[in-house]
Amino acid sequence: ETGVTQTPRHLVMGMTNKKSLKCEQHLGHNAMYWYKQSAKKPLELMFVYSLEERVENNSVPSRFSPECPNSSHLFLHLHTLQPEDSALYLCASSQGSRVPGELFFGEGSRLTVL
Amino acid sequence: AQSVTQLGSHVSVSEGALVLLRCNYSSSVPPYLFWYVQYPNQGLQLLLKYTSAATLVKGINGFEAEFKKSETSFHLTKPSAHMSDAAEYFCAVSEGGLTGGGNKLTFGTGTQLKVEL
Repeated sequence: ETGVTQTPRHLVMGMTNKKSLKCEQHLGHNAMYWYKQSAKKPLELMFVYSLEERVENNSVPSRFSPECPNSSHLFLHLHTLQPEDSALYLCASSQGSRVPGELFFGEGSRLTVL
Repeated sequence: AQSVTQLGSHVSVSEGALVLLRCNYSSSVPPYLFWYVQYPNQGLQLLLKYTSAATLVKGINGFEAEFKKSETSFHLTKPSAHMSDAAEYFCAVSEGGLTGGGNKLTFGTGTQLKVEL
């Protein structure tokens, strides 16, 4: 496999469920990101991890909990979500700051909260 | 703080016509600028980037963009549109790396390009 892989591609959950989104990158990068993409809104940066340490947390509600066990894997744990959390969640990776902005994105996980 | 404005959330062109997608940025430091494309049900793919070298940047699929500091613009163009260019295009700005590593990109709201026969 190559690039950035996200699973599941689609997820439907109730407001009381607990679920997780998974991201895996096969590019040898050392930074990983979660973005939220909602209709008619700019992409929102949620979290940034560099060398498995969280370096950015963009005022994201605590019902979203990221986890980065190693430089190749990134999770987003979800619990007690709200309908307005329905969106496309995009994972990305980059090789640190060497080429600023050269982010590589996965295909996204489409989340629907009922 | 950095920001990006994309004028026109929807642009429609005929196949073979010029494509022009507008992007204006705001940055307190010399910026890095990017255009990404998103095809339906896919993630974002880098089209091209400006990193303070040549002001005219060529990207994939025949696209190019020109950095104009005096106008704080980075418009995306393609001389002749193809049906396969129909997608959503995002302009983004970065002021450099984050303390601790990684990059912080700020994206515009996107422009949906429609190509008609």
